[in-house]
Amino acid sequence: RKEVEQDPGPFNVPEGATVAFNCTYSNSASQSFFWYRQDCRKEPKLLMSVYSSGNEDGRFTAQLNRASQYISLLIRDSKLSDSATYLCATTGGYNKLIFGAGTRLAVHP
Amino acid sequence: DAGVIQSPRHEVTEMGQEVTLRCKPISGHNSLFWYRQTMMRGLELLIYFNNNVPIDDSGMPEDRFSAKMPNASFSTLKIQPSEPRDSAVYFCASSGSGGPQGEQFFGPGTRLTVL
Repeated sequence: RKEVEQDPGPFNVPEGATVAFNCTYSNSASQSFFWYRQDCRKEPKLLMSVYSSGNEDGRFTAQLNRASQYISLLIRDSKLSDSATYLCATTGGYNKLIFGAGTRLAVHP
Repeated sequence: DAGVIQSPRHEVTEMGQEVTLRCKPISGHNSLFWYRQTMMRGLELLIYFNNNVPIDDSGMPEDRFSAKMPNASFSTLKIQPSEPRDSAVYFCASSGSGGPQGEQFFGPGTRLTVL
């Protein structure tokens, strides 16, 4: 079983829709969690960290469920520019990050 | 400010040839990471350095792969001999103790094709 698993998608949604992705992790000792965004043929970039209490940044909300060992990313009022692959990551010791394979989102007009 | 710099951006080579990928991390960052990304396997950590010292190379696929970091501003990933299954995008990333935990800054990647 992979340490971090994501539904690869694609999630095809119309503009304005709300979409949510989940990401499960296998190591119950994982301490920190993150969502990265990767545009087509570009490098990943940090979107947001995921705190125990959950956190919100504009249209984006990230939550952590330790009991069920998953994190989620909610995007409200989807924009065409949100089309990308969303990678979740967790720390694997020291500064090391373990990434999921990514969930692809396609927002259409 | 310059981000992480990688060269070359694209490399096409023939099986059996030596390939050297280069990375310059962001100035002041003390951790450097080499990743490989493919459609099948996603983003895999190959090796990472802290203060120029290799900390974990468990992701290096086999002895054909080697990485060095002779100083704080330069690292190389070498594949010798290369094989078609090495074709992938190789990313270098760096992070510093001053930023948010978990924030790694990625370079633009090197797209490697081994024929």
